[in-house]
Amino acid sequence: EIVLTQSPGTLSLSPGERATLSCRASQSVGRNYLAWYQQKPGQAPRLLISDASSRATGIADRFSGSGSGTDFTLTISRLEPEDSAVYLCQQYADAPINFGGGTKVEIK
Amino acid sequence: QVQLVQSGAEVKKPGASVKVSCKASGYTFTTYAMHWVRQAPGQRLEWMGWIDAANGDPKYSQNFQDRVTITRDTSATTAYMELSSLTSEDTAMYYCARGEQWLMRYWGQGTLVTVSS
Repeated sequence: EIVLTQSPGTLSLSPGERATLSCRASQSVGRNYLAWYQQKPGQAPRLLISDASSRATGIADRFSGSGSGTDFTLTISRLEPEDSAVYLCQQYADAPINFGGGTKVEIK
Repeated sequence: QVQLVQSGAEVKKPGASVKVSCKASGYTFTTYAMHWVRQAPGQRLEWMGWIDAANGDPKYSQNFQDRVTITRDTSATTAYMELSSLTSEDTAMYYCARGEQWLMRYWGQGTLVTVSS
């Protein structure tokens, strides 16, 4: 079973700043089947990135994903107030599907 | 557009069962799998299982193997998740999500299940 660890737990930044979120896997994620989701309070997760770096339809280009193997990164290049949310990573290479614990991004 | 609309909130007593529905529209129902994921308060998302909507073959997480049943009705383009022997630890938001294999691109709005005596 692949365990995902996200860091930091909380990120507090100002609008326009760059956010860098980390997701580390306990073993290599095959075919880089790693996704990132955004979840706002009271809402379902929203897919941002699949296959580690492919932006989902309709997602702003300030969101980008990178990484391979066991280390993956979600970057938000210029934070907007609406980016305040919890960001989750998920591996979908091997059963069982697992999610990370999330990084909360707060906008000052 | 793809839409997944789930049934409303439920309150159940310990030991009871709950069945949550997920009505799909905007795509060919049998082309994609349907996953079920839950999120207990303060906990990470937890995958429960999925069903191949074409042939009705379900696969379950070992954590729920004995208590969960996932089914689908192709004529109604609806998937169902039934969880039995409920305890307070099953109080959570339950989501369905359309699966492209294991990737979940579209999600339902969630169904809150509260287990309380």
